[in-house]
Formats: sequence, structure tokens, C-alpha cells
Amino acid sequence: EVQLVESGGGLVKPGGSLRLSCAASGFTFSSYSMNWVRQAPGKGLEWVSSISSSSSYIYYADSVKGRFTISRDNAKNSLYLQMNSLRAEDTAVYYCARGNMDVWGKGTTVTVSS
Amino acid sequence: DIQMTQSPSTLSASVGDRVTITCRASQSISSWLAWYQQKPGKAPKLLIYKASSLESGVPSRFSGSGSGTEFTLTISSLQPDDFATYYCQQYNSYPITFGQGTRLEIK
Repeated sequence: EVQLVESGGGLVKPGGSLRLSCAASGFTFSSYSMNWVRQAPGKGLEWVSSISSSSSYIYYADSVKGRFTISRDNAKNSLYLQMNSLRAEDTAVYYCARGNMDVWGKGTTVTVSS
Repeated sequence: DIQMTQSPSTLSASVGDRVTITCRASQSISSWLAWYQQKPGKAPKLLIYKASSLESGVPSRFSGSGSGTEFTLTISSLQPDDFATYYCQQYNSYPITFGQGTRLEIK
């Protein structure tokens, strides 16, 4: 079964850091680009970042550029999002999604609050 | 950045109705458009990709059309399971952008 499972969310103070992980299974992870998409409470979907299959190409939304870092470990079938200098407006459910976003995880919740 | 604008924001309809949701891009995106369905507390689900291609396993009552800057998602005969929020998304260029969503509710 094709599956993506996010982890690492939680409550963090403004200015703090968090590292999200996304474990992939049921497909050849190293063949796909991967994405992070977030959804603030009661709001729409916002693309955050994408990484190509070999990590050669990386893209970020302006809202997170310079604060978030996407990475992947194809040997571990895992995708990561290192989030630094967190702000209240980063509070959201964070989803990882495969390639052209045909497969999504269930999401992990990040809350930034003092 | 390419802005995606959906209309309407909310749509009230009944089971069996035919409904259409429109998505407009601020510049041409060729056919690089996808449609997603999202239910409360759940992850989005891909329905349509490349403007008109039906994702595997998605019922044939869903269809997409359009190219360039104007696109539509049509549900031919609404079923109870279809009441949800729908998003369009362009993937012609980065940053990837989503429409603001259309909430489809029961009349």
C-alpha cells in the first residue's frame, strides 16, 4: 500500500525550531519529487516547499524562504522539513505529498504559541 | 506568482444536481491544473490532473475541462459523499498555488 506518514509536529514557542519527517512506503521513493503543503486552521491549502527526486532542485514559498529547509534521505525513504524561526502564522497542519500530489499523508499539526 | 481564483466560494446544491466550479488563473498555465477534494479533518484527495485527466479510482461523475486561464470542475450528479471543499491548483510554475477553495454544501 502506498503510504506517507508525517511526524514531528507539536507545540513550539515563537522563534523556536521543529523538524518534521515524512516516512514513505509502498513505492520507489527515490523516483519521485516530494512536497510539503500546509493548512492553517480554517484556511485553504498553501504550498510550502518541493524537492526533486535527487535533491538537485529545491523550491520554497516566499513565506518560508530562509527559515525552512527541505531535505530527503532516499536510503531511508524519508522526507524532512527543518523549520526555524517559527512564527504564529506558521501554525498549521503540515502535509507531505508525493510528486504531482497524487498521494498525501494524514498530516502533522504544528502550533506556534507562547 | 500565478493567482488562482475560484468561484463560487460556496455552492449550495442537492443530491442529483449537476454542479460546476470555475477556476481562473492570472496568466496562462496551459493544462497544468489539478483539482482536489477535501473533507473536514482529512487530507486533500486528487480528483483531476492535467486539467481533464481523471485520477484512478475517482468516479466518472467528476470531470474537468479548460486550458490557458479558465478551467471548470463538473460533478454530473451529486452524491451525498461529494459534499466537501474543492481546490484547484496550478503546477505550471513555482510557486505552486491553490485557489481559495469552494465549499459545496447541501441545500
